[in-house]
Amino acid sequence: EDKVVQSPLSLVVHEGDTVTLNCSYEVTNFRSLLWYKQEKKAPTFLFMLTSSGIEKKSGRLSSILDKKELFSILNITATQTGDSAVYLCAVGNAGGTSYGKLTFGQGTILTVHP
Amino acid sequence: DTGVSQDPRHKITKRGQNVTFRCDPISEHNRLYWYRQTLGQGPEFLTYFQNEAQLEKSRLLSDRFSAERPKGSFSTLEIQRTEQGDSAMYLCASSWGQGFYTGELFFGEGSRLTVL
Repeated sequence: EDKVVQSPLSLVVHEGDTVTLNCSYEVTNFRSLLWYKQEKKAPTFLFMLTSSGIEKKSGRLSSILDKKELFSILNITATQTGDSAVYLCAVGNAGGTSYGKLTFGQGTILTVHP
Repeated sequence: DTGVSQDPRHKITKRGQNVTFRCDPISEHNRLYWYRQTLGQGPEFLTYFQNEAQLEKSRLLSDRFSAERPKGSFSTLEIQRTEQGDSAMYLCASSWGQGFYTGELFFGEGSRLTVL
């Protein structure tokens, strides 16, 4: 069964700090890894990664995937209070009829204090 | 707005009653997913459809749960004889996919179920 583990489970920082969120996974037929941000309602999409070593970047957020070591990191630089949220990591499976399915980790709760 | 919409947003019911949730996906998306999320946990996969075909159903889903997508557009998730353990947020998502390719999932706001 596919498995996604995120760490840390929670993190408290001050504005301006840089944070790194971790995601490790086990999946039978890896297709993709996705990061989502969830602020009390629906998860919103951040990144999709399919290739090792290629950094995806959007403003202060960036992410990279290591398919050999089976993990990904999400970096947020110069954090702001608006970054406070749950960050979810999910992996997609390319096998059988599972090619549409995402398996999520438990999430990392990030709290940014002013 | 052309996002994923879910109805109702909140449902309070007594144990043993049946409930039904509806999801309207983004119109051009052919894949539709149902997830369940409890406090402090990530979304847990329940089932998904490609067009009207239900392609996979979680082994965790009991026989009390059934989902349909009759015309390949909106979907319903029904829970029969609800139990207190069914209390959760039920999230619907949609995406466009072909073969092994699936784009990112777009989520609805969710339907929160409370079973008393």
